[in-house]
Amino acid sequence: KAGVTQTPRYLIKTRGQQVTLSCSPISGHRSVSWYQQTPGQGLQFLFEYFSETQRNKGNFPGRFSGRQFSNSRSEMNVSTLELGDSALYLCASRGRESSGANVLTFGAGSRLTVL
Amino acid sequence: SQQGEEDPQALSIQEGENATMNCSYKTSINNLQWYRQNSGRGLVHLILIRSNEREKHSGRLRVTLDTSKKSSSLLITASRAADTASYFCATDGNQFYFGTGTSLTVIP
Repeated sequence: KAGVTQTPRYLIKTRGQQVTLSCSPISGHRSVSWYQQTPGQGLQFLFEYFSETQRNKGNFPGRFSGRQFSNSRSEMNVSTLELGDSALYLCASRGRESSGANVLTFGAGSRLTVL
Repeated sequence: SQQGEEDPQALSIQEGENATMNCSYKTSINNLQWYRQNSGRGLVHLILIRSNEREKHSGRLRVTLDTSKKSSSLLITASRAADTASYFCATDGNQFYFGTGTSLTVIP
């Protein structure tokens, strides 16, 4: 089955602009999580959506928001971009492996550069 | 905040050698997972070990778990240049908590 698809893969914005990133999870997966990855910071959890509801939220300012649609596709939006928002944004869909444990399948990421 | 911490932050070895990386975490877990990330790409799930398991093997990977010390290790045997990547441990919970990763370089 198809993997997790993130678009766009690369984008360049300027400070003050806003950006919307899209993620289509694996078919049948209802949970989508978003992470921000910057050099030396590891993966910082942004939020998780399940069946169109935000289930968990990380410690990010309100400029970072997201939503999930009825087909499980998710978008995240960052408003009033700052230089520090430059990062790789990763989306992951949560599914169960044969053991019953939850594992994450990641998309290739969206590389955002803020100038 | 980060749940896990990998050690070392960076590791460089010759092809054919074994690579060992460690992970420490903070709270009780149901399972611990290891993921690999090739440069600038998404993470790929490698292996999962449950809290009631002490060791697990998958191909050239061996994972150990010590819940009393809240630590895990990932051993990659007979490393190859293609193993060059960053490796992350992750613990489950309401959300997945990832460490900061170990950057492994395998020199041909």
